[in-house]
Amino acid sequence: GENVEQHPSTLSVQEGDSAVIKCTYSDSASNYFPWYKQELGKGPQLIIDIRSNVGEKKDQRIAVTLNKTAKHFSLHITETQPEDSAVYFCAVRTTGNTGKLIFGQGTTLQVKP
Amino acid sequence: DAGVIQSPRHEVTEMGQEVTLRCKPISGHNSLFWYRQTMMRGLELLIYFNNNVPIDDSGMPEDRFSAKMPNASFSTLKIQPSEPRDSAVYFCASRGDRGGNEQFFGPGTRLTVL
Repeated sequence: GENVEQHPSTLSVQEGDSAVIKCTYSDSASNYFPWYKQELGKGPQLIIDIRSNVGEKKDQRIAVTLNKTAKHFSLHITETQPEDSAVYFCAVRTTGNTGKLIFGQGTTLQVKP
Repeated sequence: DAGVIQSPRHEVTEMGQEVTLRCKPISGHNSLFWYRQTMMRGLELLIYFNNNVPIDDSGMPEDRFSAKMPNASFSTLKIQPSEPRDSAVYFCASRGDRGGNEQFFGPGTRLTVL
């Protein structure tokens, strides 16, 4: 089955700096790659996603890049702010269009003011 | 829309007791997912329904766990008997065909089994 590895497990940056979180996956047929943000005491919330036919997608301060050949994708947050502090999860949807997502282990991001 | 609704938000019970977690998906969504989140294992998919039918229950840990979806607006996850290692946060998420791929998560139920 699909295996998703996420790094780093924790990340601390200064406000205004950039943060990068990376994920690798094993199934080359996987076709959808979302990123979720989870704040304390809440459920995960989708912040950005990318499909396998696109290499990069940007939404204001966040962007996701996908390298299908290498089977990895990354979340980039620029000009970080304290409210970006949360746990971030990558996920991979396997083929078959069933909608089943396999999540990475999560990255705790701390943005220091 | 109120989003995905889960109840209770917190549950504390003693080992051996039956626990029932409830979920109301977003109206119009036809897929529903139950997840368990722990520090050790992260976010795990337990079971997935599509049009009220269980499609994939390979993540259900053992026979003590069962899930039902009697109609499009309600699902339950039951643990009987509960054990301390079942302590976790349980999330329900729903997804609609028209909305694309996004899964919308509820606020979760924090379960503590003493």
